[in-house]
Amino acid sequence: GAGVSQSPRYKVAKRGQDVALRCDPISGHVSLFWYQQALGQGPEFLTYFQNEAQLDKSGLPSDRFFAERPEGSVSTLKIQRTQQEDSAVYLCASSSQLAGGSEQYFGPGTRLTVT
Amino acid sequence: EDQVTQSPEALRLQEGESSSLNCSYTVSGLRGLFWYRQDPGKGPEFLFTLYSAGEEKEKERLKATLTKKESFLHITAPKPEDSATYLCAVMGGASKIIFGSGTRLSIRP
Repeated sequence: GAGVSQSPRYKVAKRGQDVALRCDPISGHVSLFWYQQALGQGPEFLTYFQNEAQLDKSGLPSDRFFAERPEGSVSTLKIQRTQQEDSAVYLCASSSQLAGGSEQYFGPGTRLTVT
Repeated sequence: EDQVTQSPEALRLQEGESSSLNCSYTVSGLRGLFWYRQDPGKGPEFLFTLYSAGEEKEKERLKATLTKKESFLHITAPKPEDSATYLCAVMGGASKIIFGSGTRLSIRP
């Protein structure tokens, strides 16, 4: 079946521009996670949704980062006034279970480059 | 603070040369330890979940083990297609997963 998809796969933004990254999770998965992965590092947690509720946003690095999942399926990560340090791969993952130790299925990521 | 440390950072093996990757962790109330494989330009691919010390899981040439302080990913007679970055992650009392920096594994034919 279809896995997690993300779009766009690549995004180049000029410093100060706003960007929106989309995640389509596996159908029926209640849990959705966003991660940021710098080159040569493991993914770093950004935020977690259970259906449409954002239960944990402790990993968002600043108030320029905003995520939503209004209908409990597709999610969007928005970054306002992008900075060079925002350059990274942004990964989305979904899980069929509530957050509590189950495996997550990752999308291919969106590579964001801020120039 | 929850923390995950993986070693070595990189490992080069000859095809058929078995070895182990290490994941040391500090977490309050372990709810799960995960191993993922990540190929260049792709998202991590789930391999195993371990829940308690003494637990072991196997998949083809890979076996994961868990103690109270660390986990090992044993690779037996690896093939070039096993080349990838292997990520370890833990979930503690909160909902978020903490990843290590990974071990880049390269298998030479």
